Amino acid sequence: GAGVSQTPSNKVTEKGKYVELRCDPISGHTALYWYRQSLGQGPEFLIYFQGTGAADDSGLPNDRFFAVRPEGSVSTLKIQRTERGDSAVYLCASSLTWTSTDTQYFGPGTRLTVL
Amino acid sequence: AQRVTQPEKLLSVFKGAPVELKCNYSYSGSPELFWYVQYSRQRLQLLLRHISRESIKGFTADLNKGETSFHLKKPFAQEEDSAMYYCALRAAGGYQKVTFGTGTKLQVIP
Repeated sequence: GAGVSQTPSNKVTEKGKYVELRCDPISGHTALYWYRQSLGQGPEFLIYFQGTGAADDSGLPNDRFFAVRPEGSVSTLKIQRTERGDSAVYLCASSLTWTSTDTQYFGPGTRLTVL
Repeated sequence: AQRVTQPEKLLSVFKGAPVELKCNYSYSGSPELFWYVQYSRQRLQLLLRHISRESIKGFTADLNKGETSFHLKKPFAQEEDSAMYYCALRAAGGYQKVTFGTGTKLQVIP
C-alpha cells in the first residue's frame, strides 16, 4: 500500500514568511511524528500525535512552530515568521500505535529553505 | 537526558571486508536501541532493533549495557550496503520519543 507522503517535497521561502508542511500518514496509523533534520545531523524529534491530540510537543523549538492533526489522519506543521535557521528537511513518520513494538515508517521529507 | 554518539561520519571499506559501525549511548534507565538506514534517494527505514535480536541483510547488533554500546556489524560488506546509517535510542516502556545519532555514511568500495 501507499507509504507516508509529504508535500511539498521542496519549499523555498523568504525570512519572515509563514509556511505549512503537510503529512499524509499510512492509512489506519494512529501515531504520527514530526522530526527535523539539519545538514549533517540525525533526525531531531519535534512533536508526536496520538490520534488528534499532541501527546508530546517537547521537541518544538519555540512558539513559532505549531502542528495540528484535526481528524486524526493528515497533519500540518506550521512555522510562523520563518528564520534562516529553520532551513532543514522536515520528516514525518507514522506507526500503527505508539507502542514500542510498532515500527515508525518515514516519509520522504520536505526540504525547507529559508532565504 | 539521553544521547546517542556515532563517532564516525564516514566509514569506507572494501567489498567483502567486515563492517562495524559504532554507536554509544548515554541513558540512565533501560533503553531500546535501533539502527535505521537511508539508501541513496530513499526514505529512512528501520534496519533492526535490539529487542528482536534478529539479523537483517546480514547485519547484527548486540546491546552491551556495560559499555553502553550498540555497534552494527556485518562480516562481509556488499556494495549495496552503501548508505547512511543512524543509531537511535528510546527509553523503554510506553511511549517515549526517539533520539537519533548524527549518522555514519558507509561507503563500500568495489
